[in-house]
Amino acid sequence: EVQLVESGGGLVQPGGSLRLSCAASGFTFSAHYMDWVRQGPGGGLEWVGRTRNKANGYTTEYAASVKGRFTISRDDSKSSLYLQMDSLKTEDSAVYYCARVSGTVVDTDYFDSWGQGTLVTVSS
Amino acid sequence: DIQLTQSPSFLSASVGDRVTITCRASQGISSYLVWYQQKPGKAPKLLIYSASTLQSGVPSRFSGSGSGTEFTLTISSLQPEDFATYYCQQLNSYPRTFGPGTKVDIK
Repeated sequence: EVQLVESGGGLVQPGGSLRLSCAASGFTFSAHYMDWVRQGPGGGLEWVGRTRNKANGYTTEYAASVKGRFTISRDDSKSSLYLQMDSLKTEDSAVYYCARVSGTVVDTDYFDSWGQGTLVTVSS
Repeated sequence: DIQLTQSPSFLSASVGDRVTITCRASQGISSYLVWYQQKPGKAPKLLIYSASTLQSGVPSRFSGSGSGTEFTLTISSLQPEDFATYYCQQLNSYPRTFGPGTKVDIK
C-alpha cells in the first residue's frame, strides 16, 4: 500500500525557515517524480513544485510564488522528499501535501497518491 | 500561466440527482486535465485523468468529458458519499494549476 507521511510543520515567524519531510513507503520511490501542493485557509489548492527522478536528472520546477525561497530535494536511499522553506511570508500559511506523480510523461503526471498534509502557520 | 475556472462554485443537490461541473481553461490544453475529489480534513483523491479516464476503483457513476478548453465532470446519480469539493487541474504546462473548486452540498 502506498503511504506518504508528511512532518515538520508548525508555527514560524515571518522571515523564518522550516523544513518539511515526506516519508514514502509501499512503492519504488526512486522511480517517481514527487510534488508538493499546498492548501491555504481560503481552501484552494496551489501547486508548489516538483522534483523529477534520477533518470531525469533530479531536476525541479517551482511555482513563481515560491521560486527562490523554497527548495525541493529528495533522498532516494531514505525514500524521503523534502521541502526547505526560507524567507517565509504570512501568505505561505497552508496545509502542505506531498503527492506522488503517477508517470513521467505528459498526461500521466497526475497525483495518484497524497499524504495527509502538515500545517504550516507563518505568524508573528 | 493557464487559468482554470469552475462553474458553479457551489451547488446544492439531492441524493440521486445528476450533477455536472464545468472546468474551463484559459487556453487549449488538449485532454491534459484531471479531476480530484476532496472531503473535509482529507487529502484530495484522484477521480479522472486524461479528461475522461476513470481512475481504478472510482465508481462508474463518475464520468469526464471534454478537450481543448472546456471540460465536464458528471455524477450520474449522486450518492451520500459524493458530497465533497471537486477540483480540476491541468497538466499541459507549468505551473500545474488547479481550478478554484466546486463544493457539492446536500439540499
